[in-house]
Amino acid sequence: LAKTTQPISMDSYEGQEVNITCSHNNIATNDYITWYQQFPSQGPRFIIQGYKTKVTNEVASLFIPADRKSSTLSLPRVSLSDTAVYYCLVGDMVTGGYQKVTFGTGTKLQVIP
Amino acid sequence: DTEVTQTPKHLVMGMTNKKSLKCEQHMGHRAMYWYKQKAKKPPELMFVYSYEKLSINESVPSRFSPECPNSSLLNLHLHALQPEDSALYLCASSQGTGNGYTFGSGTRLTVV
Repeated sequence: LAKTTQPISMDSYEGQEVNITCSHNNIATNDYITWYQQFPSQGPRFIIQGYKTKVTNEVASLFIPADRKSSTLSLPRVSLSDTAVYYCLVGDMVTGGYQKVTFGTGTKLQVIP
Repeated sequence: DTEVTQTPKHLVMGMTNKKSLKCEQHMGHRAMYWYKQKAKKPPELMFVYSYEKLSINESVPSRFSPECPNSSLLNLHLHALQPEDSALYLCASSQGTGNGYTFGSGTRLTVV
């Protein structure tokens, strides 16, 4: 399984754009990159998933360079409610229909008023 | 229904008790997972069920016993736990790439 490396923590002011980068140097050809958000005492929540280039949805964008050895989650105009831990996961849908992924240490984002 | 429901939300049990955690999803997902999460740590995979069959057991002690009665239900039977087993137990399900996992809100377990 590809190991991921993220900054342990980040601070940002409200209204700013936040970019969290994840390193995954040994990503495999079939691996997808997925980001989750987790609030204390809750289950992680899916944010976005991508394979290459750029993916955008209503809450975030995911930038993946051509070599796929890293990825950047971009959160536009963060608010206090975006204070959470963000996890980058790399994994594949294996035969049998399940995903085989491992959570990294995550990035604790603190949004400051 | 786009949720994974876990019950109970909180559980306190003694080291000699037997209890069960329950997880239910009605999204038609064929893979279901149990994760354990200690405070300030990432979730750790315990078990994976795919098409109601156990596909992965991450060397979990036998005092944790998973069960998948049907495609919508996943149980985790607990027996003779230790205080260090106190944690947030998370259930998740998935179906193909594109949407990742859907997690439940977890069961906060305290072993006394």
